[in-house]
Amino acid sequence: EPEVTQTPSHQVTQMGQEVILRCVPISNHLYFYWYRQILGQKVEFLVSFYNNEISEKSEIFDDQFSVERPDGSNFTLKIRSTKLEDSAMYFCASKRKDVSETQYFGPGTRLLVL
Amino acid sequence: GQQVMQIPQYQHVQEGEDFTTYCNSSTTLSNIQWYKQRPGGHPVFLIQLVKSGEVKKQKRLTFQFGEAKKNSSLHITATQTTDVGTYFCAVEGAAGNKLTFGGGTRVLVKP
Repeated sequence: EPEVTQTPSHQVTQMGQEVILRCVPISNHLYFYWYRQILGQKVEFLVSFYNNEISEKSEIFDDQFSVERPDGSNFTLKIRSTKLEDSAMYFCASKRKDVSETQYFGPGTRLLVL
Repeated sequence: GQQVMQIPQYQHVQEGEDFTTYCNSSTTLSNIQWYKQRPGGHPVFLIQLVKSGEVKKQKRLTFQFGEAKKNSSLHITATQTTDVGTYFCAVEGAAGNKLTFGGGTRVLVKP
């Protein structure tokens, strides 16, 4: 069964450094998402992406964040200057089409900012 | 935006017993989804409910959508150790985009 994949599984970085989290959505999916989950808390929406542009973003997704689909398969989340509070699990998700479709989540990247 | 509240936050269950987790909203929901997240894992889709009063079953799991479409419940019968994890309800945005998750119910099973 097709899966969303994410790399790396774990990332440790120093505060102020840039990180890029990578995702490969399921191949025939058109809608892509990033969510984050701070340890022990709920899953929070960051951004959605469709047709090569951001379709919606949350207030968490400030100027330090950006997303890109550099080729036909990868979907990346960049954090330009990481802060301690960016430490979280970051999940990528994708779905095939608009409403009434399941979002499939990747295994996540655990980011630790020191 | 839409908000959903889940109760209880934690549920300690004796193996073999039943339990229910609830999801509530102050506004009418177009749909509600349920996800399970195992410890250290990622959210895995369980079910989507769309119709008022809808009831769906998956083996020992029963999902219900309220008549007013403002609440939902997940009932698990004869709890097993494999049921350990956090159960989240989530609402899909009006534009069919983002999922807004509830706070989750963390289930621990005592053998």
